[in-house]
Amino acid sequence: DGGITQSPKYLFRKEGQNVTLSCEQNLNHDAMYWYRQDPGQGLRLIYYSQIVNDFQKGDIAEGYSVSREKKESFPLTVTSAQKNPTAFYLCASSMSGKNQPQHFGDGTRLSIL
Amino acid sequence: KQEVTQIPAALSVPEGENLVLNCSFTDSAIYNLQWFRQDPGKGLTSLLLIQSSQREQTSGRLNASLDKSSGRSTLYIAASQPGDSATYLCALSGSARQLTFGSGTQLTVLP
Repeated sequence: DGGITQSPKYLFRKEGQNVTLSCEQNLNHDAMYWYRQDPGQGLRLIYYSQIVNDFQKGDIAEGYSVSREKKESFPLTVTSAQKNPTAFYLCASSMSGKNQPQHFGDGTRLSIL
Repeated sequence: KQEVTQIPAALSVPEGENLVLNCSFTDSAIYNLQWFRQDPGKGLTSLLLIQSSQREQTSGRLNASLDKSSGRSTLYIAASQPGDSATYLCALSGSARQLTFGSGTQLTVLP
């Protein structure tokens, strides 16, 4: 089945450690997105990519980094510079074009040890 | 900057009731509005997308409307069922192609 796969489902980070969240899609979508969700809140955009080898910062990019070397993959690294990384992270993808719906993975929950 | 508000934050109704969820926004220069469903600990499932030129969209027991002039959208759920219990989020897409989300309405349908 086509879809978006996020791994791992749960992740724990030690202080001062970088961690990488995986996002893979087999929908042949051009655009991919990373969002952060805090309890009781909506989603906030971290980074997005409309095409391979290109990406843009969203509203809360500080302390995060991404790469887009392949169309299918858009990994997110949470660096030690992100002081409050505990959250639910969601990856999404869509076809290009202004009225294409975004499709979401099942998320990764990151916690600090 | 676009701001999206969903009121109420939580809603509890008995099974079988028809209900309306509200979404308001401050900037009417949008491409589209999406309604999503989120189950606890899960990702988002797209329910309906209304393009800027449209007034409403329907899918099964769901009907979503869009009034750009008043900055409002509603999601109507007919004959609610316990399986409809979830958090419902609206999100708007503007010129930057980014989605701006509301904080959601947590719906509980009581059997």
